[in-house]
Amino acid sequence: DIQMTQSPSTLSASVGDRVTITCRASQSISRWLAWYQQKPGKAPKLLIYKASSLESGVPSRFSGSGSGTEFTLTISSLQPDDFAIYYCQQYNSCSWTFGQGTKVEIK
Amino acid sequence: QVQLVESGGRVVQPGRSLRLSCAASGFTFSSYAMHWVRQAPGKGLEWVAVISYDGRNKYYADSVMGRFTISRDNSKNTLYLQMNSLRVEDTAVHYCARFRDPDAFDFWGQGTMVTVSS
Repeated sequence: DIQMTQSPSTLSASVGDRVTITCRASQSISRWLAWYQQKPGKAPKLLIYKASSLESGVPSRFSGSGSGTEFTLTISSLQPDDFAIYYCQQYNSCSWTFGQGTKVEIK
Repeated sequence: QVQLVESGGRVVQPGRSLRLSCAASGFTFSSYAMHWVRQAPGKGLEWVAVISYDGRNKYYADSVMGRFTISRDNSKNTLYLQMNSLRVEDTAVHYCARFRDPDAFDFWGQGTMVTVSS
């Protein structure tokens, strides 16, 4: 099975900061990588699909990049609504795996 | 609008069975693969199972293989998860999610809590 490793596990930042989260796959997944945001008590929300495509309705301050085994999610200017947990997720050959999550908290 | 509404979660003893349901509306249910994803309290997301749009193909996580069965009734726009031989470690919020092939899970239900405890 493909393992997904996110870093950091926790990130402390201030409103207006540029934030980057990294996700590494244990083997190449081409660009089959998605990012989700989850707030307490809520279901995850899709932000980015196919590594860099912005889901409809998601603010443009969110962006994704990468291919193969290394991917990043960037928030260009952190807003109060962005404090949450972020997960990467891969899809490869009838296998779906999530990263362990990155908590973005207020500094 | 797309809606996924899970039900069936409750407190159950180890070794017992439970069936979860997910009622879908607002889209052509029979055109989409559907998944179950779970989240133990305070933990991350764990993929559980998938069923193809027509119900012919099913895949499971190793942690539930042989104990859980995913199914669907396209005439009722409903997804199911039959959970047998439940373990304490199955305690989690269970979400159903639509898979927008081949990209990502684009819609999720609100989740239903399964607690396995004696």
